[in-house]
Amino acid sequence: NAGVTQTPKFQVLKTGQSMTLQCAQDMNHEYMSWYRQDPGMGLRLIHYSVGAGITDQGEVPNGYNVSRSTTEDFPLRLLSAAPSQTSVYFCASRRLAWGYNEQFFGPGTRLTVL
Amino acid sequence: GQQLNQSPQSMFIQEGEDVSMNCTSSSIFNTWLWYKQDPGEGPVLLIALYKAGELTSNGRLTAQFGITRKDSFLNISASIPSDVGIYFCAIPGAGSYQLTFGKGTKLSVIP
Repeated sequence: NAGVTQTPKFQVLKTGQSMTLQCAQDMNHEYMSWYRQDPGMGLRLIHYSVGAGITDQGEVPNGYNVSRSTTEDFPLRLLSAAPSQTSVYFCASRRLAWGYNEQFFGPGTRLTVL
Repeated sequence: GQQLNQSPQSMFIQEGEDVSMNCTSSSIFNTWLWYKQDPGEGPVLLIALYKAGELTSNGRLTAQFGITRKDSFLNISASIPSDVGIYFCAIPGAGSYQLTFGKGTKLSVIP
């Protein structure tokens, strides 16, 4: 199993550009999520999904869109990038089972918006 | 939303020393998790805690959450250079399947 994979690993954008961060998992996990990590801020939840066709907002959703058309994939879209979106983005997945808490994280995408 | 306070924010220790770090919350939680993030990687679960007052070990790591269910600690014994990284505590968030993370403790080990 590859686990959780993310592409690209690094990306530089200009303000106003759009792009999609890709995330895929091969563990048949129902739950997938996106976090951003900024220095001194820890990990903050952007959006999450509990299954194909179901998405919801996390703590910091503004400026980001998601969709979940398959169990495996959960892309994150930036429609008009802003410098405040410079961050490291992590995708994570987990089983939906009561009392089961382990989330598996991808290696991250390092995004710089100029 | 829930907030977790981790201390210290960062620490520098000599190889071979023991390490202790803490996590506190203003609310009660029955599940506490500790993650480690190696430089340039995503976080990985180290220890999951489900019973207040019970010590749980994973190799040189030991963790526990208190009987008040508002705090937890992680100890690392005999530190080695590969212990370098950021350690996060986490608790179940607003939704049953979400996790809320602390801001992390950054550990540096001096050989």
